[in-house]
Amino acid sequence: NAGVTQTPKFQVLKTGQSMTLQCAQDMNHEYMSWYRQDPGMGLRLIHYSVGAGITDQGEVPNGYNVSRSTTEDFPLRLLSAAPSQTSVYFCASSYGQGAPYEQYFGPGTRLTVT
Amino acid sequence: AQSVTQLDSHVSVSEGTPVLLRCNYSSSYSPSLFWYVQHPNKGLQLLLKYTSAATLVKGINGFEAEFKKSETSFHLTKPSAHMSDAAEYFCHTGYSGAGFWYSGAGSYQLTFGKGTKLSVIP
Repeated sequence: NAGVTQTPKFQVLKTGQSMTLQCAQDMNHEYMSWYRQDPGMGLRLIHYSVGAGITDQGEVPNGYNVSRSTTEDFPLRLLSAAPSQTSVYFCASSYGQGAPYEQYFGPGTRLTVT
Repeated sequence: AQSVTQLDSHVSVSEGTPVLLRCNYSSSYSPSLFWYVQHPNKGLQLLLKYTSAATLVKGINGFEAEFKKSETSFHLTKPSAHMSDAAEYFCHTGYSGAGFWYSGAGSYQLTFGKGTKLSVIP
């Protein structure tokens, strides 16, 4: 199994540009999520999904969109990039409902917005 | 609401000495608790988890944690630090209420602490 994969690894955007961060998992996990990691802030949840077709907002959803058309994929879209979105983004997946299961993390995407 | 507080943002120990990374949780219900480790420029990896079975949980690489309900704590320990333990550690909590930890729109119950950076001095 490849586990959780993320592309790209690095990205530089100009303010106002849009882009999609890709996330895929091959473990048939129901639950997927996107976090951003900033120094001293830990990981903050952006959006999550409990299954195909079901998404919801986390702690810091503004400026981001998600969709979940398949179990495997959970892309994160930046609508109009801002310097405040400079961060490291992690995608994670887990088995889903029931007792909280451990999350499996991707390697991250380091995004810089200039 | 669920939350965790990591009491130290940075801990420095000498190689071969014990490690203690502190995490307190706040929960109205029986939580599930996790510790993750992140090495530089890497994703997070699960060290160990507590899900209401044994209160002393053993994880990978010699780490363990003890769930203490009376103190609402879940501190991470290791008897002897190794250079390879230098990393950032995150405490994480999830709540399983009514069998689901997704409890509806805008009501999410998984949170991470802000992290503790562990330095190991040779």
